[in-house]
Amino acid sequence: AQSVTQLDSHVSVSEGTPVLLRCNYSSSYSPSLFWYVQHPNKGLQLLLKYTSAATLVKGINGFEAEFKKSETSFHLTKPSAHMSDAAEYFCVVSDQGTYKYIFGTGTRLKVLA
Amino acid sequence: DSGVTQTPKHLITATGQRVTLRCSPRSGDLSVYWYQQSLDQGLQFLIQYYNGEERAKGNILERFSAQQFPDLHSELNLSSLELGDSALYFCASSVISGGLAGNTIYFGEGSWLTVV
Repeated sequence: AQSVTQLDSHVSVSEGTPVLLRCNYSSSYSPSLFWYVQHPNKGLQLLLKYTSAATLVKGINGFEAEFKKSETSFHLTKPSAHMSDAAEYFCVVSDQGTYKYIFGTGTRLKVLA
Repeated sequence: DSGVTQTPKHLITATGQRVTLRCSPRSGDLSVYWYQQSLDQGLQFLIQYYNGEERAKGNILERFSAQQFPDLHSELNLSSLELGDSALYFCASSVISGGLAGNTIYFGEGSWLTVV
């Protein structure tokens, strides 16, 4: 069965410093992996996705993630945090066996001025 | 704007009542998903439809039901409402059925349900 673990429920960074949101997954198949962002009272917006092409995936708003099969990780990074990045972030793995998307429990990012 | 439209955006109703939430998927998308998001339980997958047929079921209560119509819009029916059903209900859509390689789901803005 597929699963995804977001290792931090809350992350705080100062504006202008790097962001690292961690995600580990388990998958019986070649996984598709996604990161979504949810701003307060808004829907989930796709940041980026990995689908077995390049292991370093670039997304919107300066975010990127690296697929590391040996570590079963798909961590999200950004070189320099902006106040507008404050939101909740979800790591998602798709299950090709059950047609389901498996969501992590989310990481709430706080950006300090 | 994801292209997924949900109505109503906000809804307040009393316990024991029934409500219907409506979702129009993105143009060309055949698959619709429903999720419930609450503070205590996080984001929970409820049910998925593909081209009018139920494809996957998650943590959907028996008091809840859904369907996808021939024009591909979907409705989520919530009945005998309880205080604990207060949540944000999301609809999402994708071109093909969920879980296949690279198939991306796009979310609507959600319907806020408050049960009083």
